[in-house]
Amino acid sequence: AQSVTQPDIHITVSEGASLELRCNYSYGATPYLFWYVQSPGQGLQLLLKYFSGDTLVQGIKGFEAEFKRSQSSFNLRKPSVHWSDAAEYFCAVGPILTGGGNKLTFGTGTQLKVEL
Amino acid sequence: DADVTQTPRNRITKTGKRIMLECSQTKGHDRMYWYRQDPGLGLRLIYYSFDVKDINKGEISDGYSVSRQAQAKFSLSLESAIPNQTALYFCATSDWGLAESPGTQYFGPGTRLTVL
Repeated sequence: AQSVTQPDIHITVSEGASLELRCNYSYGATPYLFWYVQSPGQGLQLLLKYFSGDTLVQGIKGFEAEFKRSQSSFNLRKPSVHWSDAAEYFCAVGPILTGGGNKLTFGTGTQLKVEL
Repeated sequence: DADVTQTPRNRITKTGKRIMLECSQTKGHDRMYWYRQDPGLGLRLIYYSFDVKDINKGEISDGYSVSRQAQAKFSLSLESAIPNQTALYFCATSDWGLAESPGTQYFGPGTRLTVL
């Protein structure tokens, strides 16, 4: 069964500092990988996704993530955090199933606080 | 206008009451999903539907039922609400046929349900 681990429940960074949110997954093959962001009172917005090809993927709002097969990781990074980045971030993994469903398994989330 | 809408956005009900949460989408996607979000647990899949005639249980379907009235509409019902069903509920859609974004799910704004 697929699973996702986000080891950091809460992270606090200063505005302008760099950010890395960790995500480790368990899956038997190369999965589809996603990062979503949830601002307070909002739904989940897709930040970026990895399906194949270049292991460094760029997303919206200046975020990027790197797929490392050897480490089963898909960490999210941003070089300079803005106060508006304060939100909860979810990593998700989905199976590559031909003709089947595309159920996602979500991590438990990382709450990001940005200090001014 | 939002692509995925959920009604109501907030609902307070009493134990034992029947309640229905509704989801509509204008994305033309064939797959629709219902999740619940609880603090510290991330998102958990309740039900999913590949098309109008195909409905499947997710990991936490007990106490819930669904109806796919049309390709664009997917409703979640709590037949007899209980307090531990207090949560944030999300509807999502995806389209397997989009080669550039297979498996990507798009979320509604959520319904906050409180069962007293």
